[in-house]
Amino acid sequence: AQSVAQPEDQVKVAEGNPLTVKCTYSVSGNPYLFWYVQYPNRGLQFLLKYITGDNLVKGSYGFEAEFNKSQTSFHLKKPSALVSDSALYFCAVRDWNFGNEKLTFGTGTRLTIIP
Amino acid sequence: EAGVAQSPRYKIIEKRQSVAFWCNPISGHATLYWYQQILGQGPKLLIQFQNNGVVDDSQLPKDRFSAERLKGVDSTLKIQPAKLEDSAVYLCASRTGGSLSGANVLTFGAGSRLTVL
Repeated sequence: AQSVAQPEDQVKVAEGNPLTVKCTYSVSGNPYLFWYVQYPNRGLQFLLKYITGDNLVKGSYGFEAEFNKSQTSFHLKKPSALVSDSALYFCAVRDWNFGNEKLTFGTGTRLTIIP
Repeated sequence: EAGVAQSPRYKIIEKRQSVAFWCNPISGHATLYWYQQILGQGPKLLIQFQNNGVVDDSQLPKDRFSAERLKGVDSTLKIQPAKLEDSAVYLCASRTGGSLSGANVLTFGAGSRLTVL
């Protein structure tokens, strides 16, 4: 089965500094990787995805993610953090079985931006 | 376009009682998912529908959970009887048909938060 791991439960960054939220993956075949964000009392919102092509993927709200095949990682990044980026972030991988696709999520990383 | 609608947003029940959650996906979305998100954990798939058929319910505790999508549009998830460990947020998501490698992604509703006392 496909899986992702988020090694950090919590990340704290000062406003204006660059941020990184880490994700590693374990898949058979080519990985389809996703990042979602969850604000309090809200559902998950799609940020970006990697399917193939450029290793640097750009997404919503100024976020980007870097796919690294040799390190089996897909870290989420932003050059300058905003207080409004404080939220719960989930990495996910496509799981495929007999033509049915679903997403398998990591345990999440709580990002706190300090003013 | 309208998003994925879920109700109720919050529900508090006592153990052994029953509860039902409703989801109305985005119009035209053939695939519908129910995920369970326990506090401190990532969402876990409970059941996946393609139109009105179940394509994956391998992680659904079938002794107490049931779900249906009779007309291939909205869906209901039921728990009977509830246990303390069922306290969680129940997320509904939908997407169009076709591969996730294309333009479509899972769109989530706001969720239904269940507290079992």
